[in-house]
Amino acid sequence: GAVVSQHPSRVICKSGTSVKIECRSLDFQATTMFWYRQFPKQSLMLMATSNEGSKATYEQGVEKDKFLINHASLTLSTLTVTSAHPEDSSFYICSASVRNTEAFFGQGTRLTVV
Amino acid sequence: GENVEQHPSTLSVQEGDSAVIKCTYSDSASNYFPWYKQELGKRPQLIIDIRSNVGEKKDQRIAVTLNKTAKHFSLHITETQPEDSAVYFCAASRGGGGNKLTFGTGTQLKVEL
Repeated sequence: GAVVSQHPSRVICKSGTSVKIECRSLDFQATTMFWYRQFPKQSLMLMATSNEGSKATYEQGVEKDKFLINHASLTLSTLTVTSAHPEDSSFYICSASVRNTEAFFGQGTRLTVV
Repeated sequence: GENVEQHPSTLSVQEGDSAVIKCTYSDSASNYFPWYKQELGKRPQLIIDIRSNVGEKKDQRIAVTLNKTAKHFSLHITETQPEDSAVYFCAASRGGGGNKLTFGTGTQLKVEL
């Protein structure tokens, strides 16, 4: 199947700093990628839809100025958590699809803000 | 928007027994229903999916059924094994896996020896 790679897998940052997470489609082009967040023992919640060459579409309640998404190429989307706080600590996962078949997920990024 | 409910939240079965997890959805336009298995700290893994033009799909020990009229779908795992222990999520979307997924709340399945 298609491969989606996410980096870093784990990151610890200090409160108030920014963290960038990369999501790459390794063997296919993805005009659309999705960013999800998963708190411990909870479900995956969609944060935003990342569209190549245009602005991301954010779900209700997600602050677009805090979670900056850039989809500058057909194989790369980045999520930047700005001014991170402990409540932003979570598991962030991206996904992409090949020709609208199944969704392929990145391996996820465990963010811990101290 | 879409709302997906999933039951039960935890399920404990004996090895060799069957396990059934049920989901309901609210958006009648949803037409793609995948099931994922997620182990702790790992990415969700697709185990089976079904589209709205099909009522049932089976893959070895795993089957999914869909009732469009009632807006519910179920995952059936037969002959459970300890390695089936994980969290299972159902999801729904319009238009297939290339569209945004709305996930259920998850079921912690434990298969006991």
